[in-house]
Parts: sequence; C-alpha cells; structure tokens
Amino acid sequence: NAGVTQTPKFQVLKTGQSMTLQCAQDMNHNSMYWYRQDPGMGLRLIYYSASEGTTDKGEVPNGYNVSRLNKREFSLRLESAAPSQTSVYFCASSASSRGQGENGYTFGSGTRLTVV
Amino acid sequence: QKEVEQNSGPLSVPEGAIASLNCTYSDRGSQSFFWYRQYSGKSPELIMFIYSNGDKEDGRFTAQLNKASQYVSLLIRDSQPSDSATYLCAVNVIKTSYDKVIFGPGTSLSVIP
Repeated sequence: NAGVTQTPKFQVLKTGQSMTLQCAQDMNHNSMYWYRQDPGMGLRLIYYSASEGTTDKGEVPNGYNVSRLNKREFSLRLESAAPSQTSVYFCASSASSRGQGENGYTFGSGTRLTVV
Repeated sequence: QKEVEQNSGPLSVPEGAIASLNCTYSDRGSQSFFWYRQYSGKSPELIMFIYSNGDKEDGRFTAQLNKASQYVSLLIRDSQPSDSATYLCAVNVIKTSYDKVIFGPGTSLSVIP
C-alpha cells in the first residue's frame, strides 16, 4: 500500500519562482491537508480540504494556493517563492471528514524545499 | 501562552529506563489527544490516541490524560535505542463544523545504549 505519496522529495527554488507540490492518497480518505514544519515551530496547517470540492485556509495560508483535484489528489502551489517559505512540507490525509479522527493522520514522506 | 507546549529536550535516558514526555494545552475545549513519533528526516507516525481521563496502555507505551490540569503525557517503558526520535503531541479542539488540530513543537528523545 502506497498510502500518501508526495512529489518531489527535494526542491531548490530561486526567489520569485513558482512550483506545485503534488500529493495523492490511495486510502479513500475524505480529508487532506498541507502542513509545513520548521525547527521549534511544530507542524503548522497551511490549507486543508474536508472533502472533495472544498478547501479552507489553515493557520499560515499566505503565499500558497491549493487545489483538490479529486478525492485522491491535493496539490499545493507557491506562486512566487520567498526565502521565508524554506521549510519541510507534509501532505496528510484522514478518513474523517471532520478532521483528524481517532485514527489520526497518515503523512506523506515530505518535501524539503529551499528558497534562495 | 502557546496553545500546546512541550519540553523541547533533548531528553536522554539510558536503555531499559522509563522515558516520560509531557504536553500541556491551553484550550479547555480540547477533546482528544494524540502522540506521534517522528524519526529524523522522516514523517510523523501515530503511536497513541486518548480521549478519556486516565491511562491508556499499548505495549510499552502508556498515555496519561488529565483534563482538569490540562496535560497529557506519554510514558515509554523499557526504552530502546530505536525509540530515539522526536515525539509530537497533537490536540483536537472540536469546532462547529470541523475539528481544529494543534501540534506541539515536539520533544527530542535520545535513548543511550
């Protein structure tokens, strides 16, 4: 079972460049999420999608956009990358349409993004 | 005050000892609580879920919840070097239509052989 697949695993961007992080899950989960993880800050929610066709802002949405392409896929786009967006990005999914649920999140392997 | 707080560590324990990891939270509306383990360079994985006051045991792991005091802890008995990782506390706060999840910054645990 693949679980949650993220691409790419590593990326270096120049300031102002754009890119899209891809995420796909094969567990038939309803909810999908994008988090960023920075040292000492914990995981912070960027955007989430409670179900196919809906997206909502999380804690730190500025500079990002998302698309829930279908039930399986949830992409994150950086339109004009800034050094402050250097981080590790995790996609996650959960079966519950309300959020984490008792089974928690299943995380992808992460994307290490550096903006220079 | 941060919404979810954890000692950043590193917490060092000898092999075979009990490791005790603590987490406090500020929102009294918090309903359920999770512990994730994250190895260096890897993604978090769920190891414990608890929602009732008291203890919940799963193998060498015990989660303890005290809602009145607003803390949740994780005990790891017979610690092994393979337990060396960062442990993230996550708290669910039930909202009208969707649950808000807040992660703590994590505690780094090192088990010394």
